[in-house]
Amino acid sequence: DAGITQSPRHKVTETGTPVTLRCHQTENHRYMYWYRQDPGHGLRLIHYSYGVKDTDKGEVSDGYSVSRSKTEDFLLTLESATSSQTSVYFCAIRSGLAYEQYFGPGTRLTVT
Amino acid sequence: DQQVKQNSPSLSVQEGRISILNCDYTNSMFDYFLWYKKYPAEGPTFLISISSIKDKNEDGRFTVFLNKSAKHLSLHIVPSQPGDSAVYFCAASEGDTNAGKSTFGDGTTLTVKP
Repeated sequence: DAGITQSPRHKVTETGTPVTLRCHQTENHRYMYWYRQDPGHGLRLIHYSYGVKDTDKGEVSDGYSVSRSKTEDFLLTLESATSSQTSVYFCAIRSGLAYEQYFGPGTRLTVT
Repeated sequence: DQQVKQNSPSLSVQEGRISILNCDYTNSMFDYFLWYKKYPAEGPTFLISISSIKDKNEDGRFTVFLNKSAKHLSLHIVPSQPGDSAVYFCAASEGDTNAGKSTFGDGTTLTVKP
């Protein structure tokens, strides 16, 4: 158990509203990642962080922003949610010598 | 261009038999290869990994084989159990040269029948 929690676990929101998802870790890991998972697709990287206030874009970053003001928290914000952002969002931390990642339980987001 | 591909969306095997899940990649810079298992409504969990300098890694019932010349890896599960039924993701990482990011395949759904 890598001590990763995500909140909320489920959210329904309307198109055009802002949404923030939170990822919290308890073990002081430097690297944190946000992914989305859609049917028929693997995990696609949205943004990642390599330290406090150090973030970078992943392959599907359009429409998303992130912030990391503390080691333990990594926030993902949808500035103006669209129906195409309906997905399951997973946060992960990197640990170990083989670059394995440990994932949170996920947040199911529905944009109506 | 998908750098990590799992060409079989699904696989069904009988309990006790071998399950073989396959993965192909295109990026020669990948240094580590990983397999994850995912149950419905849960996050993926790390299963097993292999470094590019090895061709085999074993952990209990799970063995990963790497063929660098063919840019191909496979996960063998022997013997398969009904509890192994899940989605399996193959992933690859360039290591520290790319912030330890991983690229994932689309997954293979394994069903083990009792």
